[in-house]
Amino acid sequence: QSVLTQPPSVSGAPGQRVTISCTGSSSNIGAGYGVHWYQQLPGTAPKVLIYGNINRPSGVPDRFSGSKSGTSVSLAITGLQAEDEAYYYCQSYDSSLSAWVFGGGTKLTVL
Amino acid sequence: QVQLQESGPGLVKPSETLSLKCAVSGYSISSGHYWGWIRQPPGKGLEYIANLFHDGTAYFNPSIRSRVAVSVDTSKNQFSLQLRSVTAADTAVYYCARGPGGDQDWFDPWGQGTLVTVSS
Repeated sequence: QSVLTQPPSVSGAPGQRVTISCTGSSSNIGAGYGVHWYQQLPGTAPKVLIYGNINRPSGVPDRFSGSKSGTSVSLAITGLQAEDEAYYYCQSYDSSLSAWVFGGGTKLTVL
Repeated sequence: QVQLQESGPGLVKPSETLSLKCAVSGYSISSGHYWGWIRQPPGKGLEYIANLFHDGTAYFNPSIRSRVAVSVDTSKNQFSLQLRSVTAADTAVYYCARGPGGDQDWFDPWGQGTLVTVSS
């Protein structure tokens, strides 16, 4: 059971917008620790998409955006493309565990 | 740019020790940054294992802390992971990455990963 909760799967048609939620608690997201999002394409290592809740590394399309509200954060993907089909993971720090933690991951299917 | 490459045996027997190395290029480990290990069992999610600084300071996932050792070799610009008393549950793709350096930090970039199977 992951400390950060993500939906197992989401889907959308090309061109649509999807969001992936990451829900935590007062010992991680609610405590103000930054949340980071990773994209894992099939057979490859994860790559950071969003860091510090809302920031995009250079090279990441602005179709990807992050937001935060209370103990939850979300990753939004607009203008969905076939190449966006991947697993997405959120990551933060948990003060109760004194450890960096990941969400369970969400599989995005582009219909 | 910074690149990381894991290496080590792909097959380890139960109860033995898993040993992996991560070679870093494009950046000197002794210049700073923390360096980490993450694993991913087949078909499952990511699990933080440990991260360490070039001076030997290290942090561990409490769930496996008792079986993990990490070290840095600045002369070879690489860092290592040892996981003792392995079982089938330790079968996973093991990744090395830069970071995290603090409680607001993240892992970036990552190595390509190496699959380690625990089996007799």
